[in-house]
Amino acid sequence: TQLLEQSPQFLSIQEGENLTVYCNSSSVFSSLQWYRQEPGEGPVLLVTVVTGGEVKKLKRLTFQFGDARKDSSLHITAAQPGDTGLYLCAGATGANNLFFGTGTRLTVIP
Amino acid sequence: SQTIHQWPATLVQPVGSPLSLECTVEGTSNPNLYWYRQAAGRGLQLLFYSVGIGQISSEVPQNLSASRPQDRQFILSSKKLLLSDSGFYLCAWSFGLNTEAFFGQGTRLTVV
Repeated sequence: TQLLEQSPQFLSIQEGENLTVYCNSSSVFSSLQWYRQEPGEGPVLLVTVVTGGEVKKLKRLTFQFGDARKDSSLHITAAQPGDTGLYLCAGATGANNLFFGTGTRLTVIP
Repeated sequence: SQTIHQWPATLVQPVGSPLSLECTVEGTSNPNLYWYRQAAGRGLQLLFYSVGIGQISSEVPQNLSASRPQDRQFILSSKKLLLSDSGFYLCAWSFGLNTEAFFGQGTRLTVV
């Protein structure tokens, strides 16, 4: 079983602030995905990064894949209440499985 | 378009009773299928995945089993539930490695 540790576990910030969520592992992944989950629903994909060092931007969200493809970060600029949710990273190995991180619960206070 | 159906949405079962959760996918062929369990507000633990009919890989030794009797059907079972089996169970499918996973709505299982 691959272990992906996310930090922080919980994050509560004011609207307009910036934040970064980290996803770390000792394993190498062929790709890494970020999902957001609302209560009582399944996770929904935000982005997939495949190349070591890759940076992708999705409006106010910036995703980076570590050079060694073992870690990733999600940076949100000027957070809004609509960003509230559970953020999950997920790493894919060469065996068609997909392992999820421990999750970061983000609350953005208006 | 592809859709995934998972049922039931909620389930309350006594300790020692059997379990059967079903997941079906429509609009695609030969998908990768996954069963995950999620503790409250935490990440997803991969329980089983399948790359084809009758092919099941187990990630964690446990009280549960999975079967794939048809290409687009994935079933999670238990012969005797334990209290520790309570949780939020999610079924998902993907086209394969490095592709997006699409999730069902989940089943909230409470073992009492």
